[in-house]
Amino acid sequence: GAGVSQTPSNKVTEKGKYVELRCDPISGHTALYWYRQSLGQGPEFLIYFQGTGAADDSGLPNDRFFAVRPEGSVSTLKIQRTERGDSAVYLCASSYIPGLAGGELFFGEGSRLTVL
Amino acid sequence: GNSVTQMEGPVTLSEEAFLTINCTYTATGYPSLFWYVQYPGEGLQLLLKATKADDKGSNKGFEATYRKETTSFHLEKGSVQVSDSAVYFCALRLNSGGSNYKLTFGKGTLLTVNP
Repeated sequence: GAGVSQTPSNKVTEKGKYVELRCDPISGHTALYWYRQSLGQGPEFLIYFQGTGAADDSGLPNDRFFAVRPEGSVSTLKIQRTERGDSAVYLCASSYIPGLAGGELFFGEGSRLTVL
Repeated sequence: GNSVTQMEGPVTLSEEAFLTINCTYTATGYPSLFWYVQYPGEGLQLLLKATKADDKGSNKGFEATYRKETTSFHLEKGSVQVSDSAVYFCALRLNSGGSNYKLTFGKGTLLTVNP
């Protein structure tokens, strides 16, 4: 499809396990963002990529979280040693270029992570 | 820091009722303001936006006016439909500075419209 694609849509894992969440942005979009939406909260910024590089990772909660975008397209959010508090919906978005001049952010449907 | 406060939900209305969802903000700089909508089973979608004071954003019968004096961006619709049932998020993004790519969201308001 033409939209932002996220996989898996649902992931249930056990505490302490490693998880990868994938985002395939809209073709040609250079800017890619990850947000986290906990239950009853609005989305919170995690990390922003411009091309292959992480331009701002200030929203990552701790060093168990890491994200890559090696070819400037698909991105993977990696969570090590998962904890129950990591349970949330992880949203990916992309835009043609960053900032207001880049226009609208297009969001995927999210990956719901549940840590038991 | 930047923050967005929006009306707590859930909001339940009958079809054709008038809708207001309040949103106020604080910002360290000069923001643009947005309303996003999340329909059941779908991703967040931009509903409308306003980039400067006194601008009115509108789409699908929804409107919101950027009020700098009251730091507000309330969402309104004159006659809601069942298909408007969704979660609505108010958000801001700074117009300049090093973080002008970053959206700050409110907690969301669940709207249910009954036939």
